[in-house]
Amino acid sequence: RKEVEQDPGPFNVPEGATVAFNCTYSNSASQSFFWYRQDCRKEPKLLMSVYSSGNEDGRFTAQLNRASQYISLLIRDSKLSDSATYLCVVNIPKDSSYKLIFGSGTRLLVRP
Amino acid sequence: NAGVTQTPKFRVLKTGQSMTLLCAQDMNHEYMYWYRQDPGMGLRLIHYSVGEGTTAKGEVPDGYNVSRLKKQNFLLGLESAAPSQTSVYFCASSYSISGSFGNEQFFGPGTRLTVL
Repeated sequence: RKEVEQDPGPFNVPEGATVAFNCTYSNSASQSFFWYRQDCRKEPKLLMSVYSSGNEDGRFTAQLNRASQYISLLIRDSKLSDSATYLCVVNIPKDSSYKLIFGSGTRLLVRP
Repeated sequence: NAGVTQTPKFRVLKTGQSMTLLCAQDMNHEYMYWYRQDPGMGLRLIHYSVGEGTTAKGEVPDGYNVSRLKKQNFLLGLESAAPSQTSVYFCASSYSISGSFGNEQFFGPGTRLTVL
């Protein structure tokens, strides 16, 4: 089983739609969680950290479910500019340190 | 404040040639990383460094070497390039490597390498 799993998509939605992605992780000792955004042929950039209580940043809401070991990203009122690949990132303990493990990404296409 | 920069942006090599990719960061980060990204796969860690003069192996270190002679620079070397090393290479840096937040990674723009 992969340490971090995401549905690769693509999710094809119209402008204004609400879309949600889930990401599951296998290591219950995972400490911190992030969503990164990656545009085509660009580097990943931090979109938001995911806190235990859930957090919101404008149209974006991230939630953590430790019991079921998944995190989610909800995008409301989708814009054309939201089209990108969204990477789920999980921080896991490894070899007396920590490592960030990146999912393969979920691709989002927002159409006019 | 340039963040993380990488040179070169593109490179084509023939099998067996060598090259060095340079990564520089101006955020005074202790931790630096080299990843490769291939289609359909997540970022895979090649090597990383927890400080000047130190390096460690990541998930896929074979065929690569690294050096961190200065805190701001992290070099990735390919001694004898192979077609399997065709990929996009990303450098990243972070302030910490702890279990809690503060270990978000900041990425460079990437180097697209093709090995023929």
